[in-house]
Amino acid sequence: KQEVTQIPAALSVPEGENLVLNCSFTDSAIYNLQWFRQDPGKGLTSLLLIQSSQREQTSGRLNASLDKSSGRSTLYIAASQPGDSATYLCAVPDSNYQLIWGAGTKLIIKP
Amino acid sequence: DGGITQSPKYLFRKEGQNVTLSCEQNLNHDAMYWYRQDPGQGLRLIYYSQIVNDFQKGDIAEGYSVSREKKESFPLTVTSAQKNPTAFYLCASRIGGTNEKLFFGSGTQLSVL
Repeated sequence: KQEVTQIPAALSVPEGENLVLNCSFTDSAIYNLQWFRQDPGKGLTSLLLIQSSQREQTSGRLNASLDKSSGRSTLYIAASQPGDSATYLCAVPDSNYQLIWGAGTKLIIKP
Repeated sequence: DGGITQSPKYLFRKEGQNVTLSCEQNLNHDAMYWYRQDPGQGLRLIYYSQIVNDFQKGDIAEGYSVSREKKESFPLTVTSAQKNPTAFYLCASRIGGTNEKLFFGSGTQLSVL
């Protein structure tokens, strides 16, 4: 059964730093991997979707990479800003095409 | 603006009461989903529907019910059989298959009085 893990559960960094968030999954036979952002008390916003045939996807200051063989994805955030403070979640589809979610990494960017 | 609307934002349930959470989308998406979110845990799938008048149980369907009479609407009823209903409930939709992005509503926080 697919399991998704995000470590650390929380991360605090000074503004301006580049940072990496991690997502690992146990079954490498995935169709894609998605990264989402969630602000407190709000719904989720899709950030990036990486297809299984892709190695990375970029959107502005965000870059997501995918290494299926090692069961890992990273979300790189360049030049972090206080507005980047949120919880970041990753998810992969299971064999029934339903998403399996990590618990998220709560990111705090200190001004 | 296109999007997913969840209401109410906050809901309180008395013991033994059924409550219904609303989810409406004007994105013309075929598939709709209900997730439950508890602190420190990943989202868990309650029910999903890929077409009108059809829906499937997710991992934690016990104590919940849904209907999909219209493409735009996918209400979730939390029944009295759900003994631990306090959670943040999220509705989502996407246009088609698993390679499409998922769009979310802003959520409903359900608490027990």
